[in-house]
Formats: sequence, C-alpha cells, structure tokens
Amino acid sequence: DGGITQSPKYLFRKEGQNVTLSCEQNLNHDAMYWYRQDPGQGLRLIYYSQIVNDFQKGDIAEGYSVSREKKESFPLTVTSAQKNPTAFYLCASTAGTGSYEQYFGPGTRLTVT
Amino acid sequence: AQSVTQPDIHITVSEGASLELRCNYSYGATPYLFWYVQSPGQGLQLLLKYFSGDTLVQGIKGFEAEFKRSQSSFNLRKPSVHWSDAAEYFCAVGAGAGGTSYGKLTFGQGTILTVHP
Repeated sequence: DGGITQSPKYLFRKEGQNVTLSCEQNLNHDAMYWYRQDPGQGLRLIYYSQIVNDFQKGDIAEGYSVSREKKESFPLTVTSAQKNPTAFYLCASTAGTGSYEQYFGPGTRLTVT
Repeated sequence: AQSVTQPDIHITVSEGASLELRCNYSYGATPYLFWYVQSPGQGLQLLLKYFSGDTLVQGIKGFEAEFKRSQSSFNLRKPSVHWSDAAEYFCAVGAGAGGTSYGKLTFGQGTILTVHP
C-alpha cells in the first residue's frame, strides 16, 4: 500500500542535542511538507519542498533544517537552536503542481528535556 | 495571505445529534477548501474538499460541507453523530496558482469534538 511513513513514533532527546525525524513516501509525490502541531495552535508549516534538491522555509523555520536528496525522502532536523522543540511533528505530501490534497504521515512526538 | 478561523475550540454533542463545525476563511480569490480529521496521536485524514462547482460537497464518513462565498464560510455538517466521530477537526485553505505559496495549505486552530453516549 502507498503511503507516508514517519519514524520513530516517539522520540526523546536531551536539550542541546540535534535530532533528525524521518519521513518517507512511496506515493511518487513531488511535493513534501513538514508541520509542527501544538495544542490549540493547529498546524504550522516548517519547511516544504516541491522538487528534489529544492526546499523553502515555511512560517516557523528557525531552528530547523531539511534536505531533499531523493524524491521519496524529506528528513527534518531539529537543531539545538530551536527554543521549544517538544511538539508533535507531521509530514505530508502532494502530487505536485496543481495538487492541494495533502496526504499525512502518522506523526512523530518529540520530547526534549 | 490567506487565513482560517475555527471559532469553536471544543464542541460536545450527544450521539445521534446533528453536528455543525464552523470555518471562516480569508482569501482574495476563489479558495481551495478542505476539512481534515485527526484522532489522538495520529496523522490527518481528508474528509472532503472544495475546488469549484457545486457548493455542497459530500465527503467520507457521512460528512458534508457547504461553501458560502458571501459569508466566507465552509462549515462541516453531519446529520447524526456517532461515538467514533470524536476527534479533532481541522479546516484548511489552499493558496491559488502563482507565487511561492502555490500548493500550500493554511490550517485553522482545530475544533475538538466530544460525543456523549
């Protein structure tokens, strides 16, 4: 079955450590997105990529970095510069140009202490 | 820039009762509108979408939504709620063609639905 996988489901890190969240899709989608979700704030866009080797900052990119070396993969690194990294992170994809219907992964809950 | 407002943070209904979740958007052109549902600790699932045409759209799980341009609204409805509908619901608007916003969605803050037996 086609879909988006995010791993791990739960991730724990100490403050000051960088951590990378995985997102893989086998839908052959061109565009991929990373969102952060906090209670009562909906989904906020961190980064997105519309094609391989290209990505753009979203609304809250500070303290995060991404790469898009392969079409199916869009990993997100939460750096030590992110002031409040504990959150639920969601990855999504769309078919690409002209498509707005986003498909979501199951999410990763990151806890930093 | 587009924006979405879901005025109700939390709604409680009895099983079997009707449901309406409100969504108001702000966008200069004809919007692309979506409703998603999220169970606790899970990803989002698309319920329905509006791009153009008939302003009343049908979705999965018995949900429907009506696009009202004059009111800038896209409210979600269900005639009879089931206990399994308890979840968080998100309305989203998509930017139109052109510019760097193409293909991006802006989400509302979400409405948590509680269903009483």
